[in-house]
Amino acid sequence: EDQVTQSPEALRLQEGESSSLNCSYTVSGLRGLFWYRQDPGKGPEFLFTLYSAGEEKEKERLKATLTKKESFLHITAPKPEDSATYLCAVQSPYTASNQFYFGTGTSLTVIP
Amino acid sequence: GAGVSQSPSNKVTEKGKDVELRCDPISGHTALYWYRQSLGQGLEFLIYFQGNSAPDKSGLPSDRFSAERTGGSVSTLTIQRTQQEDSAVYLCASSLGTNQPQHFGDGTRLSIL
Repeated sequence: EDQVTQSPEALRLQEGESSSLNCSYTVSGLRGLFWYRQDPGKGPEFLFTLYSAGEEKEKERLKATLTKKESFLHITAPKPEDSATYLCAVQSPYTASNQFYFGTGTSLTVIP
Repeated sequence: GAGVSQSPSNKVTEKGKDVELRCDPISGHTALYWYRQSLGQGLEFLIYFQGNSAPDKSGLPSDRFSAERTGGSVSTLTIQRTQQEDSAVYLCASSLGTNQPQHFGDGTRLSIL
């Protein structure tokens, strides 16, 4: 069965302490991998789409990378406002609905 | 521009009652998804609409759940004879196409007493 696993479940960083979040997937084929940020009480906010191994996308302090079986979200010199839950989702072309499979997320806390 | 709008933002109801949740997608988005998010759980796919095609209902957990999308725009998710296990946040998302990023509303927080 297709599966998306995110690690760690929770991460506490000091402001300025860089780190990476992991998203590994076992879907058959990959149409796209998507990163989202979710703040408490809000819906997920789209960050990046990656379509092929080797691809990288950047936005401010965030950089997403993709290999054949996993993606990393690198956070450089994080600030307290980066605190949120980060979700990844993958889309398989072999599901009739083009369904997105979501991981359970990494809860990031950045301490001032 | 306007994002995905969901109403109500919160709904508290008694077990056994029916509820209707509404989603207004981004204008021009042909694909619309409903998800359920429970505490500590990932997003659970419920149903998917794409244009005028028949919806994919494969994620609906029981026949108490149904959804429709009128005129290719607004969608309503209906839960009949609600149970306590239906308590969750129900999220709606829309996208320009089937392999495009989904844009989410802020959800309806449903509590069944």
